Amino acid sequence: DQQVKQNSPSLSVQEGRISILNCDYTNSMFDYFLWYKKYPAEGPTFLISISSIKDKNEDGRFTVFLNKSAKHLSLHIVPSQPGDSAVYFCAASGEGGATNKLIFGTGTLLAVQP
Amino acid sequence: GAVVSQHPSWVICKSGTSVKIECRSLDFQATTMFWYRQFPKQSLMLMATSNEGSKATYEQGVEKDKFLINHASLTLSTLTVTSAHPEDSSFYICSALRAGRRAFFGQGTRLTVV
Repeated sequence: DQQVKQNSPSLSVQEGRISILNCDYTNSMFDYFLWYKKYPAEGPTFLISISSIKDKNEDGRFTVFLNKSAKHLSLHIVPSQPGDSAVYFCAASGEGGATNKLIFGTGTLLAVQP
Repeated sequence: GAVVSQHPSWVICKSGTSVKIECRSLDFQATTMFWYRQFPKQSLMLMATSNEGSKATYEQGVEKDKFLINHASLTLSTLTVTSAHPEDSSFYICSALRAGRRAFFGQGTRLTVV
């Protein structure tokens, strides 16, 4: 039972263009969402987060949008750079409201072409 | 950002032996840490939640006698893989919760059981 899904296993974008990574979730108890970037054989690095009381959060080139009614969030990277090439995971917490444990999506491999 | 250190970063052990992995929060105290496992090209699967001073909470399907977790202090949690077998070979990652809902990850441990 995959509660957090990233339906695109990979995405290829030209340098300078926008990268849009999507994430869907099924559990309405989730109230906090995060995006992480991960390189092979390394731990994930935090990028940006959003609380369910907001629908948008922006930090530099990264913007996360949350559509609670659709149970959907997306990460926009503008402009995309070759150094952004990595696997991106979305994560959600708040299930049961107690432990703050993160449930991860399956990841999207982003390749930014020079 | 917060620093979480995981040690060792890789280990090779013989089948039947036990391996201990350490996770330390270097610049903050973490009452809650999490242990994840990642198989190649798959998502991070939560194994257990480690709470300082109490027993760990294991996810469904994770053998608590196989994966021993100890959270003896506010800066250290350990995962011991007991009687390791080749199917336990994987990438293990810990994370620590800082104040709020943001989790910071260690660099991961590549375990290979031969």
